[in-house]
Amino acid sequence: DSGVTQTPKHLITATGQRVTLRCSPRSGDLSVYWYQQSLDQGLQFLIQYYNGEERAKGNILERFSAQQFPDLHSELNLSSLELGDSALYFCASSIPRTTGRNTIYFGEGSWLTVV
Amino acid sequence: SQELEQSPQSLIVQEGKNLTINCTSSKTLYGLYWYKQKYGEGLIFLMMLQKGGEEKSHEKITAKLDEKKQQSSLHITASQPSHAGIYLCGADMGGSQGNLIFGKGTKLSVKP
Repeated sequence: DSGVTQTPKHLITATGQRVTLRCSPRSGDLSVYWYQQSLDQGLQFLIQYYNGEERAKGNILERFSAQQFPDLHSELNLSSLELGDSALYFCASSIPRTTGRNTIYFGEGSWLTVV
Repeated sequence: SQELEQSPQSLIVQEGKNLTINCTSSKTLYGLYWYKQKYGEGLIFLMMLQKGGEEKSHEKITAKLDEKKQQSSLHITASQPSHAGIYLCGADMGGSQGNLIFGKGTKLSVKP
């Protein structure tokens, strides 16, 4: 158990709909990252939040948005869903270090199926 | 071409055999992460390497980072069925921390 909690674990929804994925980082971790894993694209970085503020953006579609709340949990909102959005969405978290790179821990993921 | 190449794509070994998985970057590595994933499940953190020549071990798994070659290798000694899964390397190429570029993964099967 990495300590990163994601809900829901599985979600099936129709095209055109909107869903929200939720993530609770490990206790004490200030950074939250969202990744998408699909068969064709592999694992790709979407977006990072640090202590409530957006820190970095990756290959995130305009239909997708995220936020991090004061209690440090984060939500990834996916709207106008398309079949191609079906994927495993991961949340990860890390604690900032003054030197060196952070250890990044991933949650179990949320399986999204768009039908 | 891929920024991060993993090889082999898949590997089938007999239980008890040793094996090596490689991860090669086309850019400078500031950190290299190894994870293990069971299909459809979460990523289990194995090791992080960030200095040239660094080597870390956990149980029967050893990872090394060759900074000059921009390459890392993961070696499993005396493989067991519990080692089966998909091994992913993720590279920090100097972007924001946590913005990792991942390889396509190596699927490992261990025959009892």
